Amino acid sequence: DAGITQSPRYKITETGRQVTLMCHQTWSHSYMFWYRQDLGHGLRLIYYSAAADITDKGEVPDGYVVSRSKTENFPLTLESATRSQTSVYFCASREAGGLLEQYFGPGTRLTVT
Amino acid sequence: AQTVTQSQPEMSVQEAETVTLSCTYDTSESNYYLFWYKQPPSRQMILVIRQEAYKQQNATENRFSVNFQKAAKSFSLKISDSQLGDTAMYFCAFMIFNDMRFGAGTRLTVKP
Repeated sequence: DAGITQSPRYKITETGRQVTLMCHQTWSHSYMFWYRQDLGHGLRLIYYSAAADITDKGEVPDGYVVSRSKTENFPLTLESATRSQTSVYFCASREAGGLLEQYFGPGTRLTVT
Repeated sequence: AQTVTQSQPEMSVQEAETVTLSCTYDTSESNYYLFWYKQPPSRQMILVIRQEAYKQQNATENRFSVNFQKAAKSFSLKISDSQLGDTAMYFCAFMIFNDMRFGAGTRLTVKP
């Protein structure tokens, strides 16, 4: 399907485990982003990528790792999950230039027990 | 550091009436972009309206309009003729380059 998708939509994991959240977009957008949404904080930027093999930290990058080997994919890995990483994670993408509108995926609800 | 403040955690409005959601931000930059996003219960983030800081004219999109006061660093959203489908969380966001900062959100309920 066209658009931006995230998988899984729901995930429960245990403290200390590694977990990877997937993000895939079909628009060939240059930019991709990862946010987390917590009550009282709105969305906060974790990492973003301007192109394949180019990534940069956002506001809250600690405890997360990203990679971007292909333009359409932007996985987010929690190397050793902690309870404070329980959150809803959103992936977004946008084209270079233009109206700067970010298109968001449906979100992944992650629970760390 | 850039910050965005939405001082109204919750608001309600009667159907067909007008409501204004407040947003203030703090930055030392002069060139930036402002957005309002809507998040209905489905959790999907939907862009409502955007404003470039260098444009003095306030943006409008159908029933949605903004009051952008650059000197006051204020960016309020006005929703006219409110509809039941407008019930959602509304987030104000501020972006410089690729760094987008969101406010904590305002939960809007439209009552029949």
